[in-house]
Amino acid sequence: QVQLQESGPGLVKPSQTLSLTCTVSGGSISSGSYYWSWIRQPAGKGLEWIGRIYTSGSTNYNPSLKSRVTISVDTSKNQFSLKLSSVTAADTAVYYCARLAAAGITWGQGTLVTVSS
Amino acid sequence: QLVLTQSPSASASLGASVKLTCTLSSGHSSYAIAWHQQQPEKGPRYLMKLNSDGSHSKGDGIPDRFSGSSSGAERYLTISSLQSEDEADYYCQTWGTGPWVFGGGTKLTVL
Repeated sequence: QVQLQESGPGLVKPSQTLSLTCTVSGGSISSGSYYWSWIRQPAGKGLEWIGRIYTSGSTNYNPSLKSRVTISVDTSKNQFSLKLSSVTAADTAVYYCARLAAAGITWGQGTLVTVSS
Repeated sequence: QLVLTQSPSASASLGASVKLTCTLSSGHSSYAIAWHQQQPEKGPRYLMKLNSDGSHSKGDGIPDRFSGSSSGAERYLTISSLQSEDEADYYCQTWGTGPWVFGGGTKLTVL
């Protein structure tokens, strides 16, 4: 069965770009009809959807983050990535990747990113 | 604007049943949702997809104690025979090809 694993720097300086990768195992990222998403959760708070990319490459972003977010796919590495620019302390959160399929939603384990100088 | 509303907290006794509610905002009563469980210090776990007609499909390994139902704009998650490990945050989320929207979550305490 498919598994997702987030990776990337745990500490990012304010005003810089946060970059995370989600590695997909147990299935091909480029086959089937799937939506590959990023979600985040600040400590003690709820879940916030950041955006997603479809198998075809089309993207949708949360309007509140749209100006700072880019999600892309690297089929050769079976990965998809998140870039969030001009980060502030408010972007400190656990970041999750997830896959939406007709059969259900699969979550990664999450990775903590702290924005601090 | 699509909004999902959940009560912040709920509680029930060990071995009892509890019914959690997720309410879709006006004009969105036909939407399907997903339910997720998040145990303390863990990531979310997908429980099920719940349709407007009450039909639902659960994720792999989700016990029969978890079930879903619907009425109008309300989507319900019922947990029967409560166990200590059911103490968690429960989130509803819109399902489908549109932007994902999450409810604020319900913190379930098992007494």
